[in-house]
Amino acid sequence: GAGVSQSPSNKVTEKGKDVELRCDPISGHTALYWYRQRLGQGLEFLIYFQGNSAPDKSGLPSDRFSAERTGESVSTLTIQRTQQEDSAVYLCASSSFVRNTEAFFGQGTRLTVV
Amino acid sequence: AQSVAQPEDQVNVAEGNPLTVKCTYSVSGNPYLFWYVQYPNRGLQFLLKYITGDNLVKGSYGFEAEFNKSQTSFHLKKPSALVSDSALYFCAVRDSSPGNNRKLIWGLGTSLAVNP
Repeated sequence: GAGVSQSPSNKVTEKGKDVELRCDPISGHTALYWYRQRLGQGLEFLIYFQGNSAPDKSGLPSDRFSAERTGESVSTLTIQRTQQEDSAVYLCASSSFVRNTEAFFGQGTRLTVV
Repeated sequence: AQSVAQPEDQVNVAEGNPLTVKCTYSVSGNPYLFWYVQYPNRGLQFLLKYITGDNLVKGSYGFEAEFNKSQTSFHLKKPSALVSDSALYFCAVRDSSPGNNRKLIWGLGTSLAVNP
């Protein structure tokens, strides 16, 4: 596609429910990142996929968080048993295999847990 | 370990004055350096990058950044600030060394406020 696409753009969910966030990277981009951004704050790294290598999951805050990516295509971030502190904007970015290229960001999914 | 520091949480500058947003980094090899801007309620937009060559890099919206290897810095600059430049600015680095670690490392961001 022309850019990184994330869906839904907004999600309101009840505490305790599971949510699934989707990211469609730019076609051909082997690297994909998920970040969490609380209001007015910086980027909190969650997980990084690079091609067929094992993902870097070092940023996932708890075992309620998981992410999958099949090959170089769509990725889904799943949050189980959501808590109010999970409320944030979840940003996805992708970049090509070449190290010197920039990452491209989607518009994010704003998650509100009520 | 790779890291990026943006030592200022907030920078305030008057419209028309020059602005600087600071960034320092640490990588084991040579760095690839990036600046991004985030306007309110928007995603991150790429501004400029340093890969190799001239230490002064020019980017979008009149911004430029100077790579200083000895000081391991990549400060973002603009000669004359606009109110519309008010936004959150992020610096990022990636190690250029061969190997599997291609992950981008991000600073925590600097909020720039340009006052009319």
